[in-house]
Amino acid sequence: AQSVTQPDIHITVSEGASLELRCNYSYGATPYLFWYVQSPGQGLQLLLKYFSGDTLVQGIKGFEAEFKRSQSSFNLRKPSVHWSDAAEYFCAVGHNNAGNMLTFGGGTRLMVKP
Amino acid sequence: GAVVSQHPSRVICKSGTSVKIECRSLDFQATTMFWYRQFPKQSLMLMATSNEGSKATYEQGVEKDKFLINHASLTLSTLTVTSAHPEDSSFYICSAKHLQETQYFGPGTRLLVL
Repeated sequence: AQSVTQPDIHITVSEGASLELRCNYSYGATPYLFWYVQSPGQGLQLLLKYFSGDTLVQGIKGFEAEFKRSQSSFNLRKPSVHWSDAAEYFCAVGHNNAGNMLTFGGGTRLMVKP
Repeated sequence: GAVVSQHPSRVICKSGTSVKIECRSLDFQATTMFWYRQFPKQSLMLMATSNEGSKATYEQGVEKDKFLINHASLTLSTLTVTSAHPEDSSFYICSAKHLQETQYFGPGTRLLVL
């Protein structure tokens, strides 16, 4: 069975600092990996996804993620965080690149200090 | 990107009543819609998958007679919580996709059962 672990429940960073959110997955085949962001009381917005090719994926809002098969990881990064990035971030694994049958991690809540 | 709406955004109801939540794809035909439930400070849990014109497929542990899903058209799916109780209070999120394309999420509906 597939599973996703986000080890950090809460992370606080200062505005302008760099950010890395961790994601580890367990999946029996080639994983299709996604990062979503959820603002308070809102639905989910897709930041980026990986299913093949270059292991460094660029997404929206200046985010990127790197797929490391040897570590079963798909960590999300941003070089300089803005106050508007404060939100909940979810990593997910799916059966295909369309995101069918998504399994979500527990989420990481990002807080940004001025 | 594609837009998915949900109505209502918030609803409060008395215990024992039924509540209907609508999920609409505004600018594309949704061949498949998904319904998720999210408890406070937790991740999303898939409740059911519905294909237009077919019966919904429910995840293990989800009562199909309690959570009625209808996907009668390519732009609308409804979730009806029947005989709602306080433990049904939650944030319900739908997503929609066209064929094998990416899922797009709605903004969610917060249900409070008194």
